[in-house]
Parts: sequence; C-alpha cells; structure tokens
Amino acid sequence: DAGVTQSPTHLIKTRGQQVTLRCSPKSGHDTVSWYQQALGQGPQFIFQYYEEEERQRGNFPDRFSGHQFPNYSSELNVNALLLGDSALYLCASSFQGALDIQYFGAGTRLSVL
Amino acid sequence: GENVEQHPSTLSVQEGDSAVIKCTYSDSASNYFPWYKQELGKGPQLIIDIRSNVGEKKDQRIAVTLNKTAKHFSLHITETQPEDSAVYFCAASAEGAGSYQLTFGKGTKLSVIP
Repeated sequence: DAGVTQSPTHLIKTRGQQVTLRCSPKSGHDTVSWYQQALGQGPQFIFQYYEEEERQRGNFPDRFSGHQFPNYSSELNVNALLLGDSALYLCASSFQGALDIQYFGAGTRLSVL
Repeated sequence: GENVEQHPSTLSVQEGDSAVIKCTYSDSASNYFPWYKQELGKGPQLIIDIRSNVGEKKDQRIAVTLNKTAKHFSLHITETQPEDSAVYFCAASAEGAGSYQLTFGKGTKLSVIP
C-alpha cells in the first residue's frame, strides 16, 4: 500500500519564476492538505482540498494556489517566487471520516535563488 | 488562531533513559493532539495521538498525556534507543469550517547517546 507520494524531490528556481509541486494521497484517502516547513521550524498550514475545492486556507498570499483532481491527487502552484519561499513543502492526506489524522509525504525541497 | 509552544528545543539523553517533551496550546476548542517524528530528509511520521476526551494514551515505549484545564500535553518516551534520535513535533487541531488544519510546535531535536 503506497503512502503519500510527492514529486519532484528537489527543485531549484530563480526569483520571479513559477513552480508546480505534485502529490498523490495515500490509498483510500480523499483529502489533501499542503504545508510549508521552513528550516528549523514546524510545518505551517497552506490550504486543504476536498472534492476538488479549497476548503480552508492558512495565512498565505494568493501567489499560492492549488488544485485537486478527480483521482484525489493535488498540485500546489506558487507564482512570482521569492527567496523566502525556499522551504520543504509537505503534502498530507486524510479521509473525510477522520480529517484530523493526517499522513505526510517526504516533501519537495524548493530552493529559490 | 491557535498557537502551540513546544519545549525543550533540544534534548540529549543517555540510551535507556526517559525523554519528556512538553507542549502548550492556546485554543480551548482544540480537540486533537498528534505527535510526529521527523528524521533527516523525511516527512513527519505520525507516532501517537490523543483526543480531548482522553487523559492518557500509551503505545509500547511511547505515551502521551493531556491536561485540558491547563492546556498542555506531553510526550513520554521510555527506554530510549539510538533510533529514537530525530526531531519531534507536537500539533493541535480543532474543527473549523468542516476541515482540520494542524498547528505545529517548533520541534524538539532529541539525541539519544549510546
């Protein structure tokens, strides 16, 4: 049984560029949440997707957007990248019967130069 | 919004000793408190969790306690082993608009010395 998978593993971009990160949830899960983890910090909630809609959003600007597909996989898009966007981006999946029990992927390490 | 404080930020123990990590939360509506272990280069791994209607939960060498009145919860690891070395995060969540966002502490780096 595959867990949460994320791609790519690492990514290097320059300021002003745009990036797309991908996530496939754990088998049987239908809800995807995205978190940003800066170095030495705990993960911070970006947003959560269920039924292809954004259900809740954390304190992140509109440059951060997402999408969920009919197969429950999800994408995180970040536009106009800033140096401060450099972080580990984590995807977590859960299912509607237990939304709070979230399982994380290994993350995508984004470096903005 | 919710705020979670975690202490200590670093903890070193001898192999076989116990380790305790403490967290406090601010939102009295929080009702779910998971603990995650994150090893270098990996994502957070859920190791144990507790809900607000339970005061204590144990799973082999790991236990979590919750004091709702004081708004704090703790992770206890007994008989520590070198493979317990990692960064541990506490988190809290409360239902909001039909979703559950986790608010994390800043983490505790645990080093178990052989």
